[in-house]
Amino acid sequence: NAGVTQTPKFQVLKTGQSMTLQCAQDMNHEYMSWYRQDPGMGLRLIHYSVGAGITDQGEVPNGYNVSRSTTEDFPLRLLSAAPSQTSVYFCASSPTGAPNQPQHFGDGTRLSIL
Amino acid sequence: SQQGEEDPQALSIQEGENATMNCSYKTSINNLQWYRQNSGRGLVHLILIRSNEREKHSGRLRVTLDTSKKSSSLLITASRAADTASYFCATDEGYSTLTFGKGTMLLVSP
Repeated sequence: NAGVTQTPKFQVLKTGQSMTLQCAQDMNHEYMSWYRQDPGMGLRLIHYSVGAGITDQGEVPNGYNVSRSTTEDFPLRLLSAAPSQTSVYFCASSPTGAPNQPQHFGDGTRLSIL
Repeated sequence: SQQGEEDPQALSIQEGENATMNCSYKTSINNLQWYRQNSGRGLVHLILIRSNEREKHSGRLRVTLDTSKKSSSLLITASRAADTASYFCATDEGYSTLTFGKGTMLLVSP
C-alpha cells in the first residue's frame, strides 16, 4: 500500500496565484485532515473531513478551501496565495470518522509564496 | 490554539542514555498520542494512550498519563542515534480534531 500520497513535494508560487495540493490515501480511511507546519508553531489544523461529502474548518482555515467528493481524495486549494501561506503542508488520515486512532501522515508539500 | 505543550523544547543526550519528554495540556481529553518526525518527513505515530490508562509500553518507549495533572511523559530508553527526531504530543478532546503541541527536538549523539 502507498499509504498517504501528497503531490507536489515542492512548489513555488507568486502572490495571488491559486493552486491545489493533492492528497490521496488507499487505505479506505474515513477521516482526513490538512495541517500546516511552521517553525516554532507545531502543526495547526486547517480543514478536516469525517467522511466523503463532509468537511469542516480547523484552527486556521482562512485562505484555504477543501472538498471531499471521494473517500480517497482530499485536495486543499489555495484561493489567492499570500506570503503568510509559505509553510509545509501535511495531509493525514485515520480509519474511523474521528481522530481517536493513529493518524497516517504523508511526507508533506513544501510551499513557498514569493 | 495549542493544547499540548512539550517540554523541553530541545534535548541533547548521548547514545545509551534515556530521554524523557513531557507534554502538558489544558482541557479534558479522550486520548493522547505521541508522534515522531524525522527531518524532512511526515509524522509517524508512536503510541496512543486513552484517558482511562495510566501507562503504556511499546518496545523502548514508555508513556505515562496523569489526567489529574493534565500531563503525559514519553520515555525513550537506551537511546540510539536513529532516535534523533522531533517528538510531538497530540490530544483528542472529542471534537473531531487532534491538537498538536510544538514538539521537542531530540538529538542523540554517538
